[in-house]
Amino acid sequence: QVQLVQSGAEVKKPGASMKISCKTSGYSFTSYYMHWVRQAPGQGLEWMGIINTSGGSTTFALKFQGRITMTRDTSTSTVYMELSSLRSDDTAVYYCARVPRIPPHYFDSWGQGTLVTVSS
Amino acid sequence: QSAPTQPASVSGSPGQSITISCTGTSNDVGGYNYVSWYQHRPGTAPKVVIYDVSSRSLGVSSRFSGSKSGNTASLTISGLQAEDEADYYCSSYTSSSTFVFGGGTKLTVL
Repeated sequence: QVQLVQSGAEVKKPGASMKISCKTSGYSFTSYYMHWVRQAPGQGLEWMGIINTSGGSTTFALKFQGRITMTRDTSTSTVYMELSSLRSDDTAVYYCARVPRIPPHYFDSWGQGTLVTVSS
Repeated sequence: QSAPTQPASVSGSPGQSITISCTGTSNDVGGYNYVSWYQHRPGTAPKVVIYDVSSRSLGVSSRFSGSKSGNTASLTISGLQAEDEADYYCSSYTSSSTFVFGGGTKLTVL
């Protein structure tokens, strides 16, 4: 069955970087784009960006541009999201979520979420 | 890119119907039929209930329905049940080739 399994919780200090992985299985990796979505405590879902798992191109939400990187490893069907210059308001649960390459375009399967805590 | 506007909370009694609105712009909700709705319970991953404005995801109860008029999409849940209590988010594709989520609505079943 389709699985998106994310790496474990992390605690980071302000100014540090984090890198989360999302290992997929049970489907054709390059047939879906992968997105990252986060939810800060008490806040709503926030779209962060997308990676084309085939070619590797990326598009990010404006607020993250300059400090976010998304990469993929097609040999292991894994995507990575790195966020740098962490601040306390980056404390959140981070989700990877796939979207079919061809319509319909919606998040049809999600990872279990990774809690990242930014604290001094 | 501003988030589409959703009511912060809605409530209803078991058996009643409720509607959650999602008001965006012509650059997102109004411009595309790629509007989807997600049910999110604490400690779990979000689950799609409606996609492409009005298509129900596999396994989702027929009590859930979606529609759109202009820049506003709506999710209606009829015959409310206790298990429907959750946060609900709309999402839309945008003219910037990005996605955006609404602010979220907390549904309370009284």
